[in-house]
Amino acid sequence: DIVMTQSPATLSVSPGERATLSCRASRSINNDLVWYQQKPGQVPRLLIYDASTRATGIPDRFTGSGSGTEFTLSISSLQSEDFAVYYCQQFHYWWAFGQGTRVEIK
Amino acid sequence: QVQLQESSPGLVQPSATLSLTCAVSGASFSGDSWWTWVRQPPGKALEWIGDIHNDGRTNSNPSLMSRVTISVDKSKNQFSLSLTSVTAADTAVYFCATRVGRRPCWGQGTLVIVSS
Repeated sequence: DIVMTQSPATLSVSPGERATLSCRASRSINNDLVWYQQKPGQVPRLLIYDASTRATGIPDRFTGSGSGTEFTLSISSLQSEDFAVYYCQQFHYWWAFGQGTRVEIK
Repeated sequence: QVQLQESSPGLVQPSATLSLTCAVSGASFSGDSWWTWVRQPPGKALEWIGDIHNDGRTNSNPSLMSRVTISVDKSKNQFSLSLTSVTAADTAVYFCATRVGRRPCWGQGTLVIVSS
């Protein structure tokens, strides 16, 4: 099976600043990766699929990049609604999720 | 538009079997589709439980494999999860999901509490 590792576990960022989240796969998953945003009590919200394609309605301040084993989610200028937990997930072999990165207000 | 809706068993007794169904609308059990179960314990990360293909093939998380059964009822357009010998550690929000093209599609989730 494939293990997904996210870093950091917690990211403290001031509103308006840039946030960069990382996700590593234990072996190559090509670009078969998605990013979600999750707030308490809510279903994960799809942000990015195919590693770099924004889902419908997602603002362009969210950017996904990477392929193979190394992936990044960047949020260019954090808004108040962006403080949440972010998960990466691979579909290449079964499903597997990272442990999440909590983006909190600095 | 594919929509998924989990059943709501609520409270399950320790050592009992947890049973969930996922009603599917906007899609049928044909072609090359996988139907998936995911769970999320309170305050913890998402965990893949397993999935089933339209042709009946199944996969399960190795950490749960011996306790998990996933099945499809094509006549009712739904698929099901059975998890045996539950403990408090199985308390979680359970989601059903699938992939529509390259994008995942999720149900709203249902909270299952294991407690006597």
